[in-house]
Amino acid sequence: LAKTTQPISMDSYEGQEVNITCSHNNIATNDYITWYQQFPSQGPRFIIQGYKTKVTNEVASLFIPADRKSSTLSLPRVSLSDTAVYYCLVDQDNFNKFYFGSGTKLNVKP
Amino acid sequence: ETGVTQSPTHLIKTRGQQVTLRCSSQSGHNTVSWYQQALGQGPQFIFQYYREEENGRGNFPPRFSGLQFPNYSSELNVNALELDDSALYLCASSSLEIQGYTFGSGTRLTVV
Repeated sequence: LAKTTQPISMDSYEGQEVNITCSHNNIATNDYITWYQQFPSQGPRFIIQGYKTKVTNEVASLFIPADRKSSTLSLPRVSLSDTAVYYCLVDQDNFNKFYFGSGTKLNVKP
Repeated sequence: ETGVTQSPTHLIKTRGQQVTLRCSSQSGHNTVSWYQQALGQGPQFIFQYYREEENGRGNFPPRFSGLQFPNYSSELNVNALELDDSALYLCASSSLEIQGYTFGSGTRLTVV
């Protein structure tokens, strides 16, 4: 089953672009990659999902190389309110099992 | 506004007791999953239900069980509580028409 590896923490400043990379070496053919954001004492919030190449929505972009063994979440122009833990999740849809990693704690400074 | 509500928000139980946590999903979300999140860690997948049948389970013992009802509500039952069961329990729902899962704010369970 695919497991994910992310940096434990990252620091950034307001207005900067932040890129968080996740490794998922054992990703299976039918698996999607999903990113969630979580604030303290709240449930995770869906950010973006993708299968290959690039996906963009109103809050983020997701870049997935051809081998799909990693993915990069890109947050444009972060603000203080983006300080949170970000999780990369591989949707093991074939097995109906979903594994969150330990997440990346993003700290945005003024 | 998440559309998924969990109750109670906080709960204190004694070791060995049984607990039932409840979740009300968004209308039309026929898939619900439950997670356990210990302090400082990522959510751990417990199990998933689709149309009232369990169709996926993580590495949790049988004393963790669940039910899903036709009205899009669900329950997580934990028997013989242990101190290590203290955690935030999250419910998440989804449907084939949407991407990802919508999570509730969780139930904070403390076992003493």
